[in-house]
Amino acid sequence: AQTVTQSQPEMSVQEAETVTLSCTYDTSESNYYLFWYKQPPSRQMILVIRQEAYKQQNATENRFSVNFQKAAKSFSLKISDSQLGDTAMYFCAFMTDKLIFGTGTRLQVFP
Amino acid sequence: DAGVIQSPRHEVTEMGQEVTLRCKPISGHNSLFWYRQTMMRGLELLIYFNNNVPIDDSGMPEDRFSAKMPNASFSTLKIQPSEPRDSAVYFCASSFPSGGREKLFFGSGTQLSVL
Repeated sequence: AQTVTQSQPEMSVQEAETVTLSCTYDTSESNYYLFWYKQPPSRQMILVIRQEAYKQQNATENRFSVNFQKAAKSFSLKISDSQLGDTAMYFCAFMTDKLIFGTGTRLQVFP
Repeated sequence: DAGVIQSPRHEVTEMGQEVTLRCKPISGHNSLFWYRQTMMRGLELLIYFNNNVPIDDSGMPEDRFSAKMPNASFSTLKIQPSEPRDSAVYFCASSFPSGGREKLFFGSGTQLSVL
């Protein structure tokens, strides 16, 4: 079975600082995709960043970057220069034919 | 592009009533997914369709739940009869045809409350 584990239920960070959210997954597949989704209080699911498993280069989207360690099955999200608007639930997700989510990390950014 | 459209945004009903949630995927997308989100269980995949055909419904909780996709632009998730434990946010998502299926677009969700 494919599983996604987020071991940090809650995290907090001060504005302008950097924070890293952890994610591990388990699969026997070799080709897959990994995602981080953001869910603010509005409950909209917003795609933050995406990584193809066959690419060794870590994905980057502005202040968001990932550390993808395929052998360790680890996919962490780094948020640089944190902003108040980054406050949200963050979900790690894994996809082959269907998207499986982790349980989420609630991130609070303080002024 | 209007995105994935779900209706209603909120639904309050009484136990035993039939509930129908609706979803219009993005035009041109051929995969559609229904998710349920609760505090206890997080985001669970209920069922997904490819080209209007149900591919995996192993996440559907029980026979009270059913989903249909009569055409490429419309899907429904029905609960009959509804129970208080069905209270949750239900999301619909769609994605590109194969080769670009690695990006899901989500609707705004339906908040269901069963009293």
